[in-house]
Amino acid sequence: EVQLVESGGRLVQPGGSLRLSCAASGFVVSSNFVTWVRQAPGQGLEWVATFYSAGKTYYADSVKGRFTVSRDNSNNTLNLQMNSLRPDDTAVYYCARVPTVSSDYYPMDVWGQGTTVTVSS
Amino acid sequence: DIQMTQSPSSLSASVGDRVTITCRASQSISRYLHWYQQKPGKAPKLLIYAASSLQRGVPTRFSGSGSGTDFTLTISSLQPEDFATYYCQQSFNTHSWTFGQGTKVEIK
Repeated sequence: EVQLVESGGRLVQPGGSLRLSCAASGFVVSSNFVTWVRQAPGQGLEWVATFYSAGKTYYADSVKGRFTVSRDNSNNTLNLQMNSLRPDDTAVYYCARVPTVSSDYYPMDVWGQGTTVTVSS
Repeated sequence: DIQMTQSPSSLSASVGDRVTITCRASQSISRYLHWYQQKPGKAPKLLIYAASSLQRGVPTRFSGSGSGTDFTLTISSLQPEDFATYYCQQSFNTHSWTFGQGTKVEIK
């Protein structure tokens, strides 16, 4: 079964750092794109970053310079390192697979259950 | 950045109704448009990709159309399990993807 499981979310103080993980099973992370999407309480979906299989990553302006995505091929995992956290980073963070074989249009076809990050003093 | 605007922001409908949600892009995005359904406390679920392709396992009462800047999601006969929030999303700009603000479908 194709599955993604996020972990690492917790309460953190403003200015702090946190690393989220997205563990994949049923497919190889290095052969697909993977996206991070977040959702603030009561709000809509916000694209955060996309990690392309060749290793290039693009970030939303709201997180550029503070968030970094990395891939751990040995554990089939994608990580989101979040630094200089602000209260407006409070959200549920989802990772999602973007298949590169079944579609040329880059939909997010498999989503994790999400992990909650709260930035507050 | 490409802006995605959905309308309406919310709607009330009855079981069996035909429901249409529209999504407009601020510039042409060809068919790089996808639709997701989200229920409270759950992750989004892909319904339609590439504007009109039905994701495997999604009921055929869901359909999508459009290209360029104007897109539509249609539910032909609303079922109780369809009450949810629906989002469009563009992947045309590889440097920056964006979602619409969402359309909440509520029970009338």
